Amino acid sequence: NAGVTQTPKFQVLKTGQSMTLQCAQDMNHNSMYWYRQDPGMGLRLIYYSASEGTTDKGEVPNGYNVSRLNKREFSLRLESAAPSQTSVYFCASSESELNTEAFFGQGTRLTVV
Amino acid sequence: DAKTTQPNSMESNEEEPVHLPCNHSTISGTDYIHWYRQLPSQGPEYVIHGLTSNVNNRMASLAIAEDRKSSTLILHRATLRDAAVYYCIRTWIQGAQKLVFGQGTRLTINP
Repeated sequence: NAGVTQTPKFQVLKTGQSMTLQCAQDMNHNSMYWYRQDPGMGLRLIYYSASEGTTDKGEVPNGYNVSRLNKREFSLRLESAAPSQTSVYFCASSESELNTEAFFGQGTRLTVV
Repeated sequence: DAKTTQPNSMESNEEEPVHLPCNHSTISGTDYIHWYRQLPSQGPEYVIHGLTSNVNNRMASLAIAEDRKSSTLILHRATLRDAAVYYCIRTWIQGAQKLVFGQGTRLTINP
């Protein structure tokens, strides 16, 4: 049972480069989320998707775009990476937007130089 | 204000119970209390949540004070695998998009 799978696990980007972080879940969950975690800090919500076809901004959406490709997949795109986006990115899913139990992936460690 | 207050760190011994406190003195009547934990180099993991009554599951127990201004996560018999950062989170509505992770309590378990 894979749960929530994120790719890649590690990535180094140069300032200004773009990339897409991929996330897939196999639990048939309706809601999916992207968080970032800076060193020594708690997680902050970037974007979420309550259900297939919908996305909403979280606490720190600037510099990011998301796509809910289908029920399983929710991608996060950095169009022009900046050093301030160096962080660990976590994808999560839950049965619905009213469900508190979220399942998290292992994270993507992104460094922008 | 969705703030909760937790100690920065705690230490306990293997096979002993652990009581992790959380203060939420400004909580409203409809706020839920959630606990997540984050093991080293992993994503957060849901532990338990509750509203008013004490709650038990296979991982832990949640004891909520009668006035709801504080709560305690209880690990009944700590193992080395329980070493993690524990986050106490309050939300006025259920839903993972409402989870606001603070800095949590770093729990160290001594063998």
